Amino acid sequence: DAGVIQSPRHEVTEMGQEVTLRCKPISGHNSLFWYRQTMMRGLELLIYFNNNVPIDDSGMPEDRFSAKMPNASFSTLKIQPSEPRDSAVYFCASSSTSGGHEQYFGPGTRLTVT
Amino acid sequence: EDQVTQSPEALRLQEGESSSLNCSYTVSGLRGLFWYRQDPGKGPEFLFTLYSAGEEKEKERLKATLTKKESFLHITAPKPEDSATYLCAVRATDSWGKLQFGAGTQVVVTP
Repeated sequence: DAGVIQSPRHEVTEMGQEVTLRCKPISGHNSLFWYRQTMMRGLELLIYFNNNVPIDDSGMPEDRFSAKMPNASFSTLKIQPSEPRDSAVYFCASSSTSGGHEQYFGPGTRLTVT
Repeated sequence: EDQVTQSPEALRLQEGESSSLNCSYTVSGLRGLFWYRQDPGKGPEFLFTLYSAGEEKEKERLKATLTKKESFLHITAPKPEDSATYLCAVRATDSWGKLQFGAGTQVVVTP
């Protein structure tokens, strides 16, 4: 299996622009998680989906952040408008609820907002 | 509220110098404790899952153990390639598969 795929790997944008991050989970996994990682706050869970349905979005920092999962093989995380404090590495992870629930992470997207 | 605390924050070892990392947790009902390794610029890589007190898992130079309040990751005779940040996470009852991560322990192994 190719593992979790994320794109782009790096994104540099100006404050106020819209940013869309993409994720393809491992085939057969039915849970998908979006995380943000910074030196100050560590790994934070933003939102997660089970069978394409958002279960908990309490970690989404504010209304500027939104996430969708239109089908089992694709998810997006959108920030509109972006701000410098959104600069971080964003990870997508997937797992199977029929297995041990261990999450497998993608390589991440490093976002820089200037 | 579920809490995961890892210690120490950082650990510097000589090659071959064995040591242990600690992960203490407070959770309403433990459904699994997970260990991950993260290299710079990469996503966390799954290592082990432990489910009940007394359980142990091993992989090469790493051995994870679990008690009712904490887990230890023992690194035996480490090599420079064991240098990484090690994260632990817990899954609680009724968490829908959600994991609560600790802040991690950064391990540096020098030749």
